[in-house]
Amino acid sequence: GEDVEQSLFLSVREGDSSVINCTYTDSSSTYLYWYKQEPGAGLQLLTYIFSNMDMKQDQRLTVLLNKKDKHLSLRIADTQTGDSAIYFCAESPRSQGNLIFGKGTKLSVKP
Amino acid sequence: NAGVTQTPKFRVLKTGQSMTLLCAQDMNHEYMYWYRQDPGMGLRLIHYSVGEGTTAKGEVPDGYNVSRLKKQNFLLGLESAAPSQTSVYFCASSQPRDRGLLWPYEQYFGPGTRLTVT
Repeated sequence: GEDVEQSLFLSVREGDSSVINCTYTDSSSTYLYWYKQEPGAGLQLLTYIFSNMDMKQDQRLTVLLNKKDKHLSLRIADTQTGDSAIYFCAESPRSQGNLIFGKGTKLSVKP
Repeated sequence: NAGVTQTPKFRVLKTGQSMTLLCAQDMNHEYMYWYRQDPGMGLRLIHYSVGEGTTAKGEVPDGYNVSRLKKQNFLLGLESAAPSQTSVYFCASSQPRDRGLLWPYEQYFGPGTRLTVT
């Protein structure tokens, strides 16, 4: 079955890099996603990566994909207090018309 | 465009009371979803709809009913609220997934409804 696993918490100091890790089970997902949920708000798509890519960079964000190990990571460079949020990894298996979300990683950024 | 809106933002119910949560989207999306979010549990899909007049069960449908009479609206009903239904409820919408799987598939979320059942 489909299952997306993430650690629940991560704490970093402002200015450091944050790395949020995720493992997924369904290798048929064409895209893998990172969603961000700020306090008191809904989820918003942060970035995504096509399954044929190993890496995608977008300003301070770097997504790494290891298809062999079914491992996805999100690196935030120069983490700011405004990056404090819950980050959800998600996959979209071919067999389903939906997204499968992880439980979310709560990122806390200390000044 | 307002995107996805949810009404109400907050609600407190007594056990056994009923209520309806309203979700509206102005993006002409075909698909709509209801999720609940609980600490340490992530997002769990309650019900979803792939078009006007259609609904389907998700992962945790018990105790909830839904209706999609108009394309832009998706209603979530609790007939007899229980404390276990205390949660934050999110509505989302999307276009149908590209069958060729060529394009990323994005769901757009509303701001949430915080429901407490005492």
